[in-house]
Amino acid sequence: NAGVMQNPRHLVRRRGQEARLRCSPMKGHSHVYWYRQLPEEGLKFMVYLQKENIIDESGMPKERFSAEFPKEGPSILRIQQVVRGDSAAYFCASSPSGGTVGQFFGPGTRLTVL
Amino acid sequence: KNEVEQSPQNLTAQEGEFITINCSYSVGISALHWLQQHPGGGIVSLFMLSSGKKKHGRLIATINIQEKHSSLHITASHPRDSAVYICAVGATGGSNYKLTFGKGTLLTVNP
Repeated sequence: NAGVMQNPRHLVRRRGQEARLRCSPMKGHSHVYWYRQLPEEGLKFMVYLQKENIIDESGMPKERFSAEFPKEGPSILRIQQVVRGDSAAYFCASSPSGGTVGQFFGPGTRLTVL
Repeated sequence: KNEVEQSPQNLTAQEGEFITINCSYSVGISALHWLQQHPGGGIVSLFMLSSGKKKHGRLIATINIQEKHSSLHITASHPRDSAVYICAVGATGGSNYKLTFGKGTLLTVNP
């Protein structure tokens, strides 16, 4: 039973480019969460999605960031016109249902903006 | 002030020592999680608890809801336990999926 998959594991972008981070949840999981870990800081909640729905995006920056979880395929976190401050590790987690059921984390994508 | 505070920030131990990492939080929670993150690596969920105590191998997690405090203990520590240990709390009510994280405790176990 494969765990949560994220790709790419490492992504390098120049300022102004777009970054697309993908997350495939564990089999049978329909709830996905994205977290960001800035250097020297703790993880921060960004967004919670169920299939085709954004449930809570209160942690997402208002501009340039968007997320989706289509009916088919992985969840995508998209960052447009990246800036150096976007350099961070982005983790995805999934769960079979929402709430207090445990979340299973992926290996993360480390984004470096040059 | 962070809602979740961990101590110590850094901890160095000799192989075989008993380790304790502490976590205090200031808000009501639905559950508390302990996570492990190896350098440059992903995150592994160790425990989720809302009361009492849980044990898995050499790891023990306890929580005191009244005192808003949790501890993670490692018995007979080993160099492979070296990692960052992160405490996270789930909000109450309808947002109980939303985790708030401590900054982590970097544990180094020397042989």
